[in-house]
Amino acid sequence: GEDVEQSLFLSVREGDSSVINCTYTDSSSTYLYWYKQEPGAGLQLLTYIFSNMDMKQDQRLTVLLNKKDKHLSLRIADTQTGDSAIYFCAESMAATNKLIFGTGTLLAVQP
Amino acid sequence: DAGVIQSPRHEVTEMGQEVTLRCKPISGHDYLFWYRQTMMRGLELLIYFNNNVPIDDSGMPEDRFSAKMPNASFSTLKIQPSEPRDSAVYFCASTQDGELFFGEGSRLTVL
Repeated sequence: GEDVEQSLFLSVREGDSSVINCTYTDSSSTYLYWYKQEPGAGLQLLTYIFSNMDMKQDQRLTVLLNKKDKHLSLRIADTQTGDSAIYFCAESMAATNKLIFGTGTLLAVQP
Repeated sequence: DAGVIQSPRHEVTEMGQEVTLRCKPISGHDYLFWYRQTMMRGLELLIYFNNNVPIDDSGMPEDRFSAKMPNASFSTLKIQPSEPRDSAVYFCASTQDGELFFGEGSRLTVL
């Protein structure tokens, strides 16, 4: 089945690290994505990871993938107020470009 | 490229009226997706097209919803008749290689 779960809310202080977690169910997913949605806007791709990788780092962003547990996380180092947004993880279904999104995690950064 | 263009950005209508949402994907993208976002259900995939052909419409909530893609540069999502529970933000997205590019969304309010 297709189901992607995330916690709904995370609050951190500016300068701290944020970790947003996601679990998915389809073991045949080829790519896993993190999207960011700012208020009143569409979703923008932040980063993605191939399913055969364990980790990907991109500046302040670190993606960890535990394929055995079907667990994906996004770590944002030195979180800034501009990082306040809703973060969605998504899995792509094998052999298609169909993306299934999680429920989204609202990240609130306190100054 | 201007990105994925959606119109209208906002629509307020009365129950029973027909609503047509429009989308122009990024030129060269052969996949087009329609998503609906609500507080209660998060981001739901309604339907997607590949090379203008509908591939999976299992997310379309009921017969009141229909989507067409008459050519590679235009798609519509129609709701007839509309109901208050259709109030949501409707996103169109397109992709060529897996990275989804989203439009800014059409916010629909049905009174």
